Formats: sequence, C-alpha cells, structure tokens
Amino acid sequence: KNEVEQSPQNLTAQEGEFITINCSYSVGISALHWLQQHPGGGIVSLFMLSSGKKKHGRLIATINIQEKHSSLHITASHPRDSAVYICAVRLEGGSQGNLIFGKGTKLSVKP
Amino acid sequence: KAGVTQTPRYLIKTRGQQVTLSCSPISGHRSVSWYQQTPGQGLQFLFEYFSETQRNKGNFPGRFSGRQFSNSRSEMNVSTLELGDSALYLCASSRDRYGEQFFGPGTRLTVL
Repeated sequence: KNEVEQSPQNLTAQEGEFITINCSYSVGISALHWLQQHPGGGIVSLFMLSSGKKKHGRLIATINIQEKHSSLHITASHPRDSAVYICAVRLEGGSQGNLIFGKGTKLSVKP
Repeated sequence: KAGVTQTPRYLIKTRGQQVTLSCSPISGHRSVSWYQQTPGQGLQFLFEYFSETQRNKGNFPGRFSGRQFSNSRSEMNVSTLELGDSALYLCASSRDRYGEQFFGPGTRLTVL
C-alpha cells in the first residue's frame, strides 16, 4: 500500500463544475503540499498546509490531521485548470527533508 | 525575481555513460531538493541539500550523487547510466529546509 493515496486517478468535468480531489496518507507528517503539473512537466506549488484550510482564488485546500486526509477543491472549474494535481507529504522527525508523493489526479475540464 | 533554472533541458546518453545535471535556485534560497519522475513510479525524492550538506537521501543506488556549492547552486550526477534512468529530473528550491518549494522546469534524460 502506498503511503500517499489520491483519488480519483482521473477526473473529467464540465466547465463550471465544483471539483474535489482527495489525498489520504498513512505516515506522520509535518506538512502537506498540493502541486499542479501541466503537460510539458512544469510543476507549480499550490498550497503547503499543516492544519486547517487555505484558499487562493478558486482553489481551496483542507487538511484533517487526525483523519490523515486532505482535499483540494476547485470552484467554477475552467479548461485551463486541466492538469495533473499531486499531493505530497513532508515526513515528520529526522526525515523532514523527504517528500513522498501521490500518483496524481489527472483532471480534464471540458468547455 | 528569476525562477529555478535547470540545465540542460534535454539530454540523450547511452548506457554506461555518466551525466551531470545542474540546478540554480531562486536567489536567497538555501535549500535544494532533487526528484525523479517516471511514468511508472511517479515522483520520487532523490536528495535534499542545505548549506552545502546533504541532509536527506532517497532510496536510490549509489550511482546517484550530488553536491551543493557555496552559492546554493546544486549538481547531481548519475554514473553508469541504465535504461531505467530515463526520466524527468526536477529540482526545487526553498528559502529554508521546510518551506514552500519552487520547482524548476526539469531536465529530460533519455538513456539509449
């Protein structure tokens, strides 16, 4: 079993829909990152959070430390949101330098 | 402010050769991490460098090595290349060890 599991693996939505991507992890963490990767490889950091909720524009990220679960929400989705969204956790303790990644969720938003 | 830069962007090598990849972090960032991305394994952590010292290493063989210079620029080296080393190699920098990471565009390595 992977230490970081994302669901769904693939997601197709119509423009304007509300989207949720989930991330569950099984290890102790000091922080969780949400990343966006467009075709061609470039990765952009969307959020880094260790508790609660963060919002940036149409994106919202939440984390529940007790349940070891995080969600990324996209409101009013747009075709430009089409990308792979990757959840990554930073381990706690002596291995804090390590990030462990989920396999990613490929999102396609149709106009 | 310039972003993270990686050189070269593309590289083709043959089995048995060695390769050196370079990463220049954002000015003022002292931490550099390296990652390998393949279709089968996804993103995997290679190394983390801070203040010219390797702080953490992922589960990769000794053929993978790296270093960081006093200006925070970092290089990684892969010796005795294997077909399975074909991948996108990404570096990311952050101001300190545990901050938000900013990724470079990657170096796509193909081993023939």
